[in-house]
Amino acid sequence: NAGVTQTPKFRILKIGQSMTLQCAQDMNHNYMYWYRQDPGMGLKLIYYSVGAGITDKGEVPNGYNVSRSTTEDFPLRLELAAPSQTSVYFCASRGLGLAGVLGAYNEQFFGPGTRLTVL
Amino acid sequence: AQSVAQPEDQVKVAEGNPLTVKCTYSVSGNPYLFWYVQYPNRGLQFLLKYITGDNLVKGSYGFEAEFNKSQTSFHLKKPSALVSDSALYFCAVRDMPGNSNTGKLIFGQGTTLQVKP
Repeated sequence: NAGVTQTPKFRILKIGQSMTLQCAQDMNHNYMYWYRQDPGMGLKLIYYSVGAGITDKGEVPNGYNVSRSTTEDFPLRLELAAPSQTSVYFCASRGLGLAGVLGAYNEQFFGPGTRLTVL
Repeated sequence: AQSVAQPEDQVKVAEGNPLTVKCTYSVSGNPYLFWYVQYPNRGLQFLLKYITGDNLVKGSYGFEAEFNKSQTSFHLKKPSALVSDSALYFCAVRDMPGNSNTGKLIFGQGTTLQVKP
């Protein structure tokens, strides 16, 4: 398994440009997440999805959009890039724990990240 | 609201010495707690988790963590540090317990561990 993959690894955008950060997982996980990481701030949740066709906002969704047309893919869209969106973006996925099994709660698996700079 | 705090921005230890990276939490209900490690220019890697059961949880690379309900802490420990343990460590707690099972995590701000030879 490749796990969680993200493309591109690096990108420089000009203010006002748009782009899509790609994320894919091959573990058949229901749950997928997008985080951004800023220095000294930990990770903040942007959007998440509990399954194909279902998405919801996280803590910092403004300026972003997502879609989940398949179980495998969860792209993140930036429509009008702003300097405040300069960050490292991580995608993660999580599988369902075994129903009825005490303690069966799975961890999230993270991709390698995309470093985005908006100038 | 759920929250997690890592009171130390940086921890420095000598190789071979024991290490502790601190984490405290605030949740309503039973906490689901996690530790992740991030090496430079890499994604986060899962180390260990506490969901229920034994308060001492063993994880990857010789790390362990102790869940202490009375002190609302989940400190990460290792008996003998290695230079290769130098990295950024994140504590996280699951958001919204109870019926919600979205699996959202709330992360601490991270602690940089530096192990000196």
